[in-house]
Amino acid sequence: EAGVAQSPRYKIIEKRQSVAFWCNPISGHATLYWYQQILGQGPKLLIQFQNNGVVDDSQLPKDRFSAERLKGVDSTLKIQPAKLEDSAVYLCASSDNSGNTIYFGEGSWLTVV
Amino acid sequence: SQKIEQNSEALNIQEGKTATLTCNYTNYSPAYLQWYRQDPGRGPVFLLLIRENEKEKRKERLKVTFDTTLKQSLFHITASQPADSATYLCALDPFSGGYNKLIFGAGTRLAVHP
Repeated sequence: EAGVAQSPRYKIIEKRQSVAFWCNPISGHATLYWYQQILGQGPKLLIQFQNNGVVDDSQLPKDRFSAERLKGVDSTLKIQPAKLEDSAVYLCASSDNSGNTIYFGEGSWLTVV
Repeated sequence: SQKIEQNSEALNIQEGKTATLTCNYTNYSPAYLQWYRQDPGRGPVFLLLIRENEKEKRKERLKVTFDTTLKQSLFHITASQPADSATYLCALDPFSGGYNKLIFGAGTRLAVHP
């Protein structure tokens, strides 16, 4: 079974530029998550989708971050404009309807300079 | 305030010994708690889930306990091996909003020395 796919794996941008990350969850998984993990910290939930609807975006900095999940499958996370403090790994994850186990992708590493 | 706390200092142990990692939480009443392993440059990988009505769960060399009175979970790796070296994250579902949601601790780095 294919895992959660993410791209790009690495991205370096200057502050105030924009960046987009793409995620393809495990086939059939209704729930998709985007987590931000800063070095030395645990993953922090940014946004959670159930099919193509948002169930939790309470920690998403909506002035600069946006995410969508069209057709309830793939998802993109965009940052515009980026700040230095956005340097982190952006982890996409998915789970089935039980939601008990979350499967993570390898992450997209962002460095803002 | 709500907190999940794991030892921030790395745990160094000798191969063959039992590693014990601690996860304490404050102002949560989770229905279950999970443990994940994260290797450098990789995403977290699910290891074990323990529910609030379970005291202990085992999987091969792994054992997890869950004490809802102490608000603590302990994660044990018996007969540890250098390949067990990684960061271990605990996560809980605050069971709010009617949907499953996982909140993670910062993780504890385990180093097993030959």
